[in-house]
Amino acid sequence: QKEVEQNSGPLSVPEGAIASLNCTYSDRGSQSFFWYRQYSGKSPELIMFIYSNGDKEDGRFTAQLNKASQYVSLLIRDSQPSDSATYLCAVKVQGAQKLVFGQGTRLTINP
Amino acid sequence: GAVVSQHPSWVICKSGTSVKIECRSLDFQATTMFWYRQFPKQSLMLMATSNEGSKATYEQGVEKDKFLINHASLTLSTLTVTSAHPEDSSFYICSVLGGVTSTDTQYFGPGTRLTVL
Repeated sequence: QKEVEQNSGPLSVPEGAIASLNCTYSDRGSQSFFWYRQYSGKSPELIMFIYSNGDKEDGRFTAQLNKASQYVSLLIRDSQPSDSATYLCAVKVQGAQKLVFGQGTRLTINP
Repeated sequence: GAVVSQHPSWVICKSGTSVKIECRSLDFQATTMFWYRQFPKQSLMLMATSNEGSKATYEQGVEKDKFLINHASLTLSTLTVTSAHPEDSSFYICSVLGGVTSTDTQYFGPGTRLTVL
């Protein structure tokens, strides 16, 4: 079982709709979770991090964390074509500084 | 966050030569930096964790004698690919750990695309 799992997609969403990206992780002791966006040919850029159960909102983005279910998600409201990218879920390894990344979900927003 | 630069942004070299890639933290003193590589359509693969003033910690399967990492200052880490071969062609990305908003967040540089002929 992979440590961090994401649906690789592609996920296709119409412009203006809500895009929902999901991620599960295996280490129950993990405390820090991150979402990165990576455009084709570019490096990852941080969207947001979340540490506590529940929702965390930043503009059109909402991260949701459920530690009991070992599940973290990212919602993108009012999706725009510029949101088309690969979204990487990352989990900080307990007791270490490094992150474990999922394989990424490729999201396409259709005008 | 933290602003990170990499140089060069792309490099083409002949097989057997060595290539040095620089990673700089421009607005933050980074005790810890990371080096990743990414092949097309694949996720990031952590190569090593670099701590200022000490030896890098390499991930399993990464040849430390081939991928030399030096983190001599709080703003600069270098990755040298020694005796590069075509299979080393990849996208190399560094990141710095921490910043003013979060101490365990990683901020990535723009990456260096290496092509070995």
